[in-house]
Amino acid sequence: NAGVTQTPKFQVLKTGQSMTLQCAQDMNHNSMYWYRQDPGMGLRLIYYSASEGTTDKGEVPNGYNVSRLNKREFSLRLESAAPSQTSVYFCASSPEGLGTQYFGPGTRLLVL
Amino acid sequence: EDKVVQSPLSLVVHEGDTVTLNCSYEVTNFRSLLWYKQEKKAPTFLFMLTSSGIEKKSGRLSSILDKKELSSILNITATQTGDSAIYLCASQGAQKLVFGQGTRLTINP
Repeated sequence: NAGVTQTPKFQVLKTGQSMTLQCAQDMNHNSMYWYRQDPGMGLRLIYYSASEGTTDKGEVPNGYNVSRLNKREFSLRLESAAPSQTSVYFCASSPEGLGTQYFGPGTRLLVL
Repeated sequence: EDKVVQSPLSLVVHEGDTVTLNCSYEVTNFRSLLWYKQEKKAPTFLFMLTSSGIEKKSGRLSSILDKKELSSILNITATQTGDSAIYLCASQGAQKLVFGQGTRLTINP
């Protein structure tokens, strides 16, 4: 069982470059989430998608955009990367908006 | 603003000790409280608590929710080096999980 997959695992960007982080789940879950994790800050929600076709801002959405491409896939885009976006990014999914979330392995992003 | 606070932020104990990790929350439309364990990569689910006073148990780990005090504790008895990890508490509101900062637990042999 693949569960939640994320690509890439690691990426280095220069300030101003753009990139898209990919996430896919094979559990037929309705809800998907993007978090960032920084030392001492826990996990902070960037954007979420309660169901296919909807997206909403989380706690720290500035500098990011998302696309819920279909039920399986939820991508996170950085249009113009900044050093403050250096972080570990986790994608998660859940059957509905409530209850347990299942996390992907994370993408480590370094912006120079 | 929804908030979850964990304490302590860091804890170092010897193998065999018992530890208690704390989590307090202020969340609109509270639905549940969840505990996760994070080793090197993604958080993995431990417990989900929705009812006050009912202990959930899994091996040496147990957790209980106190809705009156807006808090939860996670207990680990007879700790082992494999318990070393970051333990995350999260509170579920209307749609979203709000995470605490995590407690970094280190078990020394």
